Parts: sequence; C-alpha cells; structure tokens
Amino acid sequence: GAGVSQSPSNKVTEKGKDVELRCDPISGHTALYWYRQRLGQGLEFLIYFQGNSAPDKSGLPSDRFSAERTGESVSTLTIQRTQQEDSAVYLCASSLSRADTQYFGPGTRLTVL
Amino acid sequence: AQSVAQPEDQVNVAEGNPLTVKCTYSVSGNPYLFWYVQYPNRGLQFLLKYITGDNLVKGSYGFEAEFNKSQTSFHLKKPSALVSDSALYFCAVRDRTTSGTYKYIFGTGTRLKVLA
Repeated sequence: GAGVSQSPSNKVTEKGKDVELRCDPISGHTALYWYRQRLGQGLEFLIYFQGNSAPDKSGLPSDRFSAERTGESVSTLTIQRTQQEDSAVYLCASSLSRADTQYFGPGTRLTVL
Repeated sequence: AQSVAQPEDQVNVAEGNPLTVKCTYSVSGNPYLFWYVQYPNRGLQFLLKYITGDNLVKGSYGFEAEFNKSQTSFHLKKPSALVSDSALYFCAVRDRTTSGTYKYIFGTGTRLKVLA
C-alpha cells in the first residue's frame, strides 16, 4: 500500500522567500506530525495534527512557521521569509491514531541560500 | 523531563559480528520505546517497539531490542551484522503531554557502519 509521501523532495530557495512543503499521509491515518532534522542531528518535533486540528504546536520555532491540514489528509508546512538556519530535512509522519506507531515520509530537503 | 540518550555517535562492527546500538531513557511512568532506521536520502523506517510484556522485542530485518527497566535502557541488537545494515538508527520514547496528546522524543541518532 502507499506510504507517506512528501513533495517536493528537494527545494532550494533564496533567503527571504516563502516555501510550502506538502505531506500526504497514509490513507485513514488521523494523526500527522512534522519534524525537522538538521544536518547530523536528531529529529526536532514541530507540530502535531489530530484530524484537522493542531493540539500541539509547541515545536514551531517561530511565527514564520505555520501548518495546516485539510480534510484529514494533506498537510502543508509553510515557512515565511526563510532564513539560512531553516535549511534542513523536513519529515512528515502519520499514524492511525495518536497512540499508534508513526510512519515517516522520505522528507523534503530544504536549502536556503 | 522526558529524554532519550544515544551515547554513541557512531558504531563500527565487522560483518557477521553481533552489533549493539545503545539507548537510555528518562521518563515518568511506563515508557513506550521505539527504534527507527534511516537509510541515506530516505525517511525513517519503523523497526520495533516496546509497550508492555516480554522485555525482548523482535522487529524487522532480524533486529531485536531488550527493555531493561532497572537500567532504563532499550539497546538495539542483532546477532550477525550485514553490510546493508549500515544506516542511522534512532531511539525514541513516546511521551504523553499534560494536554493528553502524544509527543515522540527522539535521540540524536547513532550511525552504524558495518565493515565487510
């Protein structure tokens, strides 16, 4: 069956531009998570969705970061006025419910020049 | 605060030898523990988890992990390493927040290199 997919796989942008990263979770998974992985580092939690609502946004690093989810499926992570320190791999994961195992997408590698 | 530690940045092992990737945790209550593997340019893949029951958990690709409550450890093991096991391994603990949601806390990762 289809796993979690993310697009684009790679994104190169200039400092100050806005970017949108997309995540398509596994069909039927109600929980969706976004993480950031900087080069050589572990995963940093950003935000969690249960259905269309986000009960935990505690990991968003600044107000330049926002995310939404529509129709209990696709989620978009938006970074406004990108900075070089935003360069990282952004990983999305979904799970059947909030208590279940997370399954990860391949990630989007963002490079801010 | 809940935390996960992977004390080794890198582990080298010869092909055919047993391997161990270490993980220790600090949680309140009963821990839910996970291991994930990340191959180059790929997302994380679930390997195994411990929730309750038998302390030895078996997972994908011949990996297993032993939950040790007294030592607060959840080390990943494999009896005979393959070159194809070379990857980045992450240990994670699931934390229940005060608002009732769940958050996963990941270790910093251990790079496993299996030498032919």
